[in-house]
Amino acid sequence: SQTIHQWPATLVQPVGSPLSLECTVEGTSNPNLYWYRQAAGRGLQLLFYSVGIGQISSEVPQNLSASRPQDRQFILSSKKLLLSDSSFYLCAWSVNVKADTQYFGPGTRLTVL
Amino acid sequence: DAKTTQPNSMESNEEEPVHLPCNHSTISGTDYIHWYRQLPSQGPEYVIHGLTSNVNNRMASLAIAEDRKSSTLILHRATLRDAAVYYCILHRGAGGTSYGKLTFGQGTILTVHP
Repeated sequence: SQTIHQWPATLVQPVGSPLSLECTVEGTSNPNLYWYRQAAGRGLQLLFYSVGIGQISSEVPQNLSASRPQDRQFILSSKKLLLSDSSFYLCAWSVNVKADTQYFGPGTRLTVL
Repeated sequence: DAKTTQPNSMESNEEEPVHLPCNHSTISGTDYIHWYRQLPSQGPEYVIHGLTSNVNNRMASLAIAEDRKSSTLILHRATLRDAAVYYCILHRGAGGTSYGKLTFGQGTILTVHP
């Protein structure tokens, strides 16, 4: 069966520090991968999605970036965190883009102080 | 993107059926209707999806109106573990700029009373 992992589960970082959140999927090949974030009490906002290694599409311009160095690994990064980056970050995967179900990881709670 | 409208909150008693409505009057022919739910501090969980016909699975049933402008998620016997935010989402099947993208709204907060 397929499993999606995210780490760390929680993270507290100072303003201006770099960020690296990792997501890995097991039990499937060539998944589509997604990064979302969710502010407190709000719906999810799609940040990036990837249909293959090195292929990243950005939905919202900001100080975040994503990379997919391996087939089942998706990384969310920032060079300098802002206070507004505090949020709940979620990684998801799907078999293919066409109306397919997305399966979410447990999320990373990021607090920027 | 086609938009969905859901009530902000609903309440139910344990062991009773729950009908969660969703309006999507601007749905297009290639939009699938997906339902996800999210428990506090967890990632969303897929519940069910459909295109035109009613659908059943072990978690719930999805009733889709004949004109597809509305749908209803049915939990046949609510349990305390069903208390969550339920999201109704239109997921485009092919083409368009929203291809493959899930657009989450505010959802419906379901409270289940013992």
